[in-house]
Amino acid sequence: DAGVIQSPRHEVTEMGQEVTLRCKPISGHNSLFWYRQTMMRGLELLIYFNNNVPIDDSGMPEDRFSAKMPNASFSTLKIQPSEPRDSAVYFCASNLFSAIGTEAFFGQGTRLTVV
Amino acid sequence: GENVEQHPSTLSVQEGDSAVIKCTYSDSASNYFPWYKQELGKRPQLIIDIRSNVGEKKDQRIAVTLNKTAKHFSLHITETQPEDSAVYFCAATSSGYSTLTFGKGTMLLVSP
Repeated sequence: DAGVIQSPRHEVTEMGQEVTLRCKPISGHNSLFWYRQTMMRGLELLIYFNNNVPIDDSGMPEDRFSAKMPNASFSTLKIQPSEPRDSAVYFCASNLFSAIGTEAFFGQGTRLTVV
Repeated sequence: GENVEQHPSTLSVQEGDSAVIKCTYSDSASNYFPWYKQELGKRPQLIIDIRSNVGEKKDQRIAVTLNKTAKHFSLHITETQPEDSAVYFCAATSSGYSTLTFGKGTMLLVSP
């Protein structure tokens, strides 16, 4: 397996524009996470899907952020409209759900810069 | 929800010394505690993990200890090498859930 695949790797956009980040989880994994990483706040969980259903979106900053998982092999994180404070590295991760906990595998991340 | 505190935020050691990073968690139902290493510009990657039914686990130069009573777990790196320089994150997850709550990270710098 190629691991978790994210696209694009880098995105530079102007304030007010819509941004869409994409993620392909590892085949067979049934849990998917979106994290945002900044120097100040570290790794923050934005949203968690299990079997394509959003389970916990309490970390989504505000209504400008939305996430979807239309099937087991694809998820998107959308920001509309984007603002400079959204600049960060966004990671997607996936794992196989287990009550005893399992390793989460991260994608390469998307570095978003909003100017 | 779970809250994970991690200390120190930065740690500088000489090559060959030991390094210890400590974390505390708030949810007594947490049962899985992984440690991730993130090199500059790269993704976090698992280096070791421990489950709540074990008090200690070792893998070559790295070891993790868990004290469930105190809700405290630690990463120990012995004989540090310059390639150990990275940011290390602890995390915790609760039974019945899959989400990982991360600490803020520790930047480890190993000087030759």
